[in-house]
Amino acid sequence: NAGVTQTPKFQVLKTGQSMTLQCAQDMNHNSMYWYRQDPGMGLRLIYYSASEGTTDKGEVPNGYNVSRLNKREFSLRLESAAPSQTSVYFCASSEAKLPPIYGYTFGSGTRLTVV
Amino acid sequence: ILNVEQSPQSLHVQEGDSTNFTCSFPSSNFYALHWYRWETAKSPEALFVMTLNGDEKKKGRISATLNTKEGYSYLYIKGSQPEDSATYLCAPINQAGTALIFGKGTTLSVSS
Repeated sequence: NAGVTQTPKFQVLKTGQSMTLQCAQDMNHNSMYWYRQDPGMGLRLIYYSASEGTTDKGEVPNGYNVSRLNKREFSLRLESAAPSQTSVYFCASSEAKLPPIYGYTFGSGTRLTVV
Repeated sequence: ILNVEQSPQSLHVQEGDSTNFTCSFPSSNFYALHWYRWETAKSPEALFVMTLNGDEKKKGRISATLNTKEGYSYLYIKGSQPEDSATYLCAPINQAGTALIFGKGTTLSVSS
């Protein structure tokens, strides 16, 4: 089925370890996004890519890096994980239109725990 | 980044009750407003994208209205059912917006 695929679904890291969260979409969307969900905070934007070859910071970019590998894939990297990065991470994509007037399609999320 | 407020933060209703909640946002340079439904342990799903003042959208028992001049949108659920239990998020965007910034949401719990 068409949609947004995130891997892994679950991950436990030790403080200081690094990892990359993968996201791929097969809807030919140009724009992709990374959000994190924390209790009482809703969804907060980490980074986004309005089109292939561009990336921009969102509300909470510190401690993260992103790569728009190609039109389909947008990865999120934690270089040195901290307990404060324990969260559920959602990737989303949308058709290219700025400002965005098309609904986002979200992946199923990656639950990350940093101990 | 737009300052968006959703109220109430949470509410609990009985099956069959109708309910509504509010999304408030700055009215200047308004461009569009998104509503999403987010069930526990699932991903957010788009409900509506609204752009015109006075616009009303409907999907089944859920409807939304938009007032861009005063900066608010209402989401209504008629005859709530347990399957309506979810967090409802709104995300207004202005003409310079490039990505959705969501409110903290209203969490609805419907008991049978």
